Amino acid sequence: QKEVEQDPGPLSVPEGAIVSLNCTYSNSAFQYFMWYRQYSRKGPELLMYTYSSGNKEDGRFTAQVDKSSKYISLFIRDSQPSDSATYLCAMRGAGNMLTFGGGTRLMVKP
Amino acid sequence: EAGVAQSPRYKIIEKRQSVAFWCNPISGHATLYWYQQILGQGPKLLIQFQNNGVVDDSQLPKDRFSAERLKGVDSTLKIQPAKLEDSAVYLCASSPLGTAYTGELFFGEGSRLTVL
Repeated sequence: QKEVEQDPGPLSVPEGAIVSLNCTYSNSAFQYFMWYRQYSRKGPELLMYTYSSGNKEDGRFTAQVDKSSKYISLFIRDSQPSDSATYLCAMRGAGNMLTFGGGTRLMVKP
Repeated sequence: EAGVAQSPRYKIIEKRQSVAFWCNPISGHATLYWYQQILGQGPKLLIQFQNNGVVDDSQLPKDRFSAERLKGVDSTLKIQPAKLEDSAVYLCASSPLGTAYTGELFFGEGSRLTVL
């Protein structure tokens, strides 16, 4: 079993839809949770990070962490074609090493 | 501010040949990472440097992979001899001190390796 599981997709939605992306994890030591966005043939870029459980909002993006269920989510409101990319969850414990999920490929159709 | 620079962008070699990738991090970033991203998977950390010292190389296949960061600035990752399963994108990332817990790594565009 992988430490971080993520549905690979692809997830195809119409423009304007609300998108929900999710990851589950098995390591209870993870405390810091991030979402990266990766466009085709580009490196990942950090979208959001959260510490421990709770919600964090930034514009059209909301990150949720439920440590009791070992489940994290990223919601995208009013999705745009420019949101089409692969979304990677990543997490770490007290140490430095980030563990990434496999990524979910999102396609937003105009 | 210039981003993380990597070269070459693309490399095709035959198995058992050697290859080297170069990375120049963002100026002033003390920490440098090399990740391997196989198609359809998330990045996997190969090695992490802080300045010119190795912090973590537990997932680096040391029988064929080597990396160095002389003078604590740019870095080179070498594979010798290459295997078919080394076909992947090799991502370099950097981060300044103090951001380790936010997880904010700045990635380059990657070097795509194909081993035939």
